[in-house]
Amino acid sequence: QKEVEQNSGPLSVPEGAIASLNCTYSDRVSQSFFWYRQYSGKSPELIMSIYSNGDKEDGRFTAQLNKASQYVSLLIRDSQPSDSATYLCAVKYNAGNMLTFGGGTRLMVKP
Amino acid sequence: EPEVTQTPSHQVTQMGQEVILRCVPISNHLYFYWYRQILGQKVEFLVSFYNNEISEKSEIFDDQFSVERPDGSNFTLKIRSTKLEDSAMYFCASSTSGGGTETQYFGPGTRLLVL
Repeated sequence: QKEVEQNSGPLSVPEGAIASLNCTYSDRVSQSFFWYRQYSGKSPELIMSIYSNGDKEDGRFTAQLNKASQYVSLLIRDSQPSDSATYLCAVKYNAGNMLTFGGGTRLMVKP
Repeated sequence: EPEVTQTPSHQVTQMGQEVILRCVPISNHLYFYWYRQILGQKVEFLVSFYNNEISEKSEIFDDQFSVERPDGSNFTLKIRSTKLEDSAMYFCASSTSGGGTETQYFGPGTRLLVL
């Protein structure tokens, strides 16, 4: 069974700090990785996607993928209180187009 | 910016009743999905739909569930006889294709409460 694991948190960081969110997945036959942000009671909102090993940067966000270690992470630089949300890691495996989600990490950015 | 829309935003129903949740995917998208999220739990895949047929479904998507694209814009999820455990947030999503790198864009969700 394909699993996506995240630390539920909460991860608390001060405003302006770097927040580091981690995700591990169980199946090597994986193709694409997505980070979504979910505010309480709202729907998942895409932050970034990553498909190749290494880093991918988009503004304050950097996604890092290590397929050998089955590990994907999201760094948020200069964290803002508005970044406080639950961050969902989602994996799409080669067979099929469904997303398998982790349970999410709750991030709290304190002013 | 185009977005996925869903109606109703909230639905309360009695156990055993049928409900239909509606979605309007982004207009040039060809793949449609339903996910659900029970309160405090993970987002779970239910079904994907392409070219007027189901392309993939999860174990959750049993005979009580069905999907349909009744016209050129709407995509619906029907639950025939609701159970208490069907209470959840239901998200519709769409993507331009089903390829591995394609992003799925989520609608705002319908909160279903079964009493």
